Amino acid sequence: KNEVEQSPQNLTAQEGEFITINCSYSVGISALHWLQQHPGGGIVSLFMLSSGKKKHGRLIATINIQEKHSSLHITASHPRDSAVYICAVPLMPSGQFYFGTGTSLTVIP
Amino acid sequence: GAGVSQSPSNKVTEKGKDVELRCDPISGHTALYWYRQSLGQGLEFLIYFQGNSAPDKSGLPSDRFSAERTGGSVSTLTIQRTQQEDSAVYLCASSLVQGGPQHFGDGTRLSIL
Repeated sequence: KNEVEQSPQNLTAQEGEFITINCSYSVGISALHWLQQHPGGGIVSLFMLSSGKKKHGRLIATINIQEKHSSLHITASHPRDSAVYICAVPLMPSGQFYFGTGTSLTVIP
Repeated sequence: GAGVSQSPSNKVTEKGKDVELRCDPISGHTALYWYRQSLGQGLEFLIYFQGNSAPDKSGLPSDRFSAERTGGSVSTLTIQRTQQEDSAVYLCASSLVQGGPQHFGDGTRLSIL
């Protein structure tokens, strides 16, 4: 049983499309993280959120604590958005992180 | 530097040798994390430090793995008697506070021959 489930596993979109990636988790958390791993391997933290919604440029992350579900949306997708998007939740007090398996996104020009 | 620095960036060694991986977190970041990513796989949590203390070492894959952090700064991950299944990218990240947004290093690519 995975504590964090992501869907879809793979996603191909045309440039300009609206994209949604979903994350469900089974453990109690204080916050949820969305990470982006570029094709070269580098990892960037996109969002940390514990309630509601956060927006950064074309990226929007939402979380519903009661339903234990989070979504990452990309508006007006662009080929440079092609990457693996990873959902992660920290378990306190151990500090251990549970990761989703990642969603591999390819945006075609 | 401004970011998390890991060294070496690549390491190739023979099976059975010991290796030491180093992580320099962002100055002032109290939390430090080690992860492993095997080829084509997802991220695997190894260990977390708050200051110099690791509350839970159960994420380390075996007793051949150990980690320490000194001065609330630099951390080393040591793998003794390396095995081929240890081949992976080892990533370090730091955050200002526990559970906060993490800043990742570029990783050490470890190859065991």
